[in-house]
Amino acid sequence: TQLLEQSPQFLSIQEGENLTVYCNSSSVFSSLQWYRQEPGEGPVLLVTVVTGGEVKKLKRLTFQFGDARKDSSLHITAAQPGDTGLYLCAASNAGGTSYGKLTFGQGTILTVHP
Amino acid sequence: EAGVTQSPTHLIKTRGQQVTLRCSPISGHTSVYWYQQALGLGLQFLLWYDEGEERNRGNFPPRFSGRQFPNYSSELNVNALELEDSALYLCASSLPGAPNYGYTFGSGTRLTVV
Repeated sequence: TQLLEQSPQFLSIQEGENLTVYCNSSSVFSSLQWYRQEPGEGPVLLVTVVTGGEVKKLKRLTFQFGDARKDSSLHITAAQPGDTGLYLCAASNAGGTSYGKLTFGQGTILTVHP
Repeated sequence: EAGVTQSPTHLIKTRGQQVTLRCSPISGHTSVYWYQQALGLGLQFLLWYDEGEERNRGNFPPRFSGRQFPNYSSELNVNALELEDSALYLCASSLPGAPNYGYTFGSGTRLTVV
């Protein structure tokens, strides 16, 4: 069973601070995705990374896929209250019994205080 | 463009009853996925349907089943409901042949079993 460990579970910061969320596994994945979920809604895809070492930027969010494709990080610069939400990493493999199935981390609940 | 739509949004059922949840994917998406998001357990993969066929299944008992219709919409059926089936049931869709590049989720159906 492939497991994704996310840390930290909870993060409470002030507006303007920077933060990093980590997603780690002992397994190699063909792709990894980050989602953000707000209460009462489904997760919304932020980014997909597929190449080891890949870095993608989305405004104040920077996503990195580890060289060995086993881990990833999400860095937010100058957090804003609108960034508050549940951040989920999810990974998949291209073949075998895991094809089409995303394995999700437990999530990081981020609260940004004004 | 309409997103992934799910119905109903909320549902209360009694233990032992049966329930049917419905999902309409984004136009052009042929794959539909079902996930269970129970409190404290994160998102767990239930089922993947593509082109009317079940392609993969998560570690859930046979009383969880579903189907996909020719218009690619899908139903999730849960028989003999148990209290621990209380959860947010999320449906997602993706483009053909691209299950590893990210899903679009619906807002979910909140099922409460009493």
